[in-house]
Amino acid sequence: SQTIHQWPATLVQPVGSPLSLECTVEGTSNPNLYWYRQAAGRGLQLLFYSVGIGQISSEVPQNLSASRPQDRQFILSSKKLLLSDSGFYLCAWSVLGYGGYTFGSGTRLTVV
Amino acid sequence: AQTVTQSQPEMSVQEAETVTLSCTYDTSESDYYLFWYKQPPSRQMILVIRQEAYKQQNATENRFSVNFQKAAKSFSLKISDSQLGDAAMYFCAYRDTGANSKLTFGKGITLSVRP
Repeated sequence: SQTIHQWPATLVQPVGSPLSLECTVEGTSNPNLYWYRQAAGRGLQLLFYSVGIGQISSEVPQNLSASRPQDRQFILSSKKLLLSDSGFYLCAWSVLGYGGYTFGSGTRLTVV
Repeated sequence: AQTVTQSQPEMSVQEAETVTLSCTYDTSESDYYLFWYKQPPSRQMILVIRQEAYKQQNATENRFSVNFQKAAKSFSLKISDSQLGDAAMYFCAYRDTGANSKLTFGKGITLSVRP
């Protein structure tokens, strides 16, 4: 069966420090991968999506970047965190053009 | 661009009773998918139910059912026999059938269940 792993679960980082959040999927090949951010317990904002290795599309210009070095690995990064980067980050995967997304358990990021 | 609207930010229901959560969407597509996701306090996003637009029959999953009105672009979720564990945020979402289509979420509704 397919599973998605996301870590860390919680992260507290100082302003100006780098960030690396990792997401991996098991049990499927060539998934579409997504990074979402949820601020203040409300709606989900799509940050990045990827349809294949090295293929990244950005939805919102910001302080973050994403990479997909392997088929089932998706990484969210920042060189220098801002206070406004605080939030809950969710990784998700889907099969091409079919059905909903399956989400990871999320990372709660607090920038102090 | 497709939009999903959940106009009620909060609702409350008595345990064991029925509640309906509303959702409307806007699209020019004729075939697409609609979803309801649940986000409990753990913040894990859980798929509750899915509806394919080409199917006229409303989807059901145990105590959860939808009222899909394609012409009105309405997609409401009915929760029967509400339980304390149903307390969560619920998100309505839309996705068209394109190979690289993306899921568009509403802003969510917070459902509380009174014991």
